[in-house]
Amino acid sequence: EPEVTQTPSHQVTQMGQEVILRCVPISNHLYFYWYRQILGQKVEFLVSFYNNEISEKSEIFDDQFSVERPDGSNFTLKIRSTKLEDSAMYFCASSEASVGTLLNTGELFFGEGSRLTVL
Amino acid sequence: DQQVKQNSPSLSVQEGRISILNCDYTNSMFDYFLWYKKYPAEGPTFLISISSIKDKNEDGRFTVFLNKSAKHLSLHIVPSQPGDSAVYFCAALSNFGNEKLTFGTGTRLTIIP
Repeated sequence: EPEVTQTPSHQVTQMGQEVILRCVPISNHLYFYWYRQILGQKVEFLVSFYNNEISEKSEIFDDQFSVERPDGSNFTLKIRSTKLEDSAMYFCASSEASVGTLLNTGELFFGEGSRLTVL
Repeated sequence: DQQVKQNSPSLSVQEGRISILNCDYTNSMFDYFLWYKKYPAEGPTFLISISSIKDKNEDGRFTVFLNKSAKHLSLHIVPSQPGDSAVYFCAALSNFGNEKLTFGTGTRLTIIP
């Protein structure tokens, strides 16, 4: 069964360092997302990406964050200068159609997550 | 601002009995609701959804009920099986065309054999 894969599974970094989290979405999917979950809290939307541009982003997704689809298969999340509060599990997700359309039952396919620990 | 709330952080149910997981929301613009299931070290997986034009949707052992006037939905699992032990997240979409899923904090369901 096709799946979303994420690397690394766990990254430890020093505050102020740049981090890149990588995702390989399911190959025929067109919509890509990043969510995060701080330990013990809810899963939070960060950003959605379609047709090589951001379609929606949350207030969490400030100038320190960026996303890219560099080569048609990878989808990356970059945090330019990490802060302690960026420590979380970051989930990549993809879907065939827009989550917000009648065509889609809301079935996002999530990766297993990348745990980021900022010291 | 918790727009989607799951007030029970955990729930234990005997195998074979009914599990009922509850979710409340505050944003009246939400019109599509979803349940996701998450095992440790895995990403959330989609379980079942319901549109605000319905009050019930059933898929095998899983049924979701929506009470719009109370801004409340529930997920019923019957009969509960040990493999159902997981964290269940309620999520909502504000309107079609919006990409952002708003999640609740989750309920950890433990099925006791």
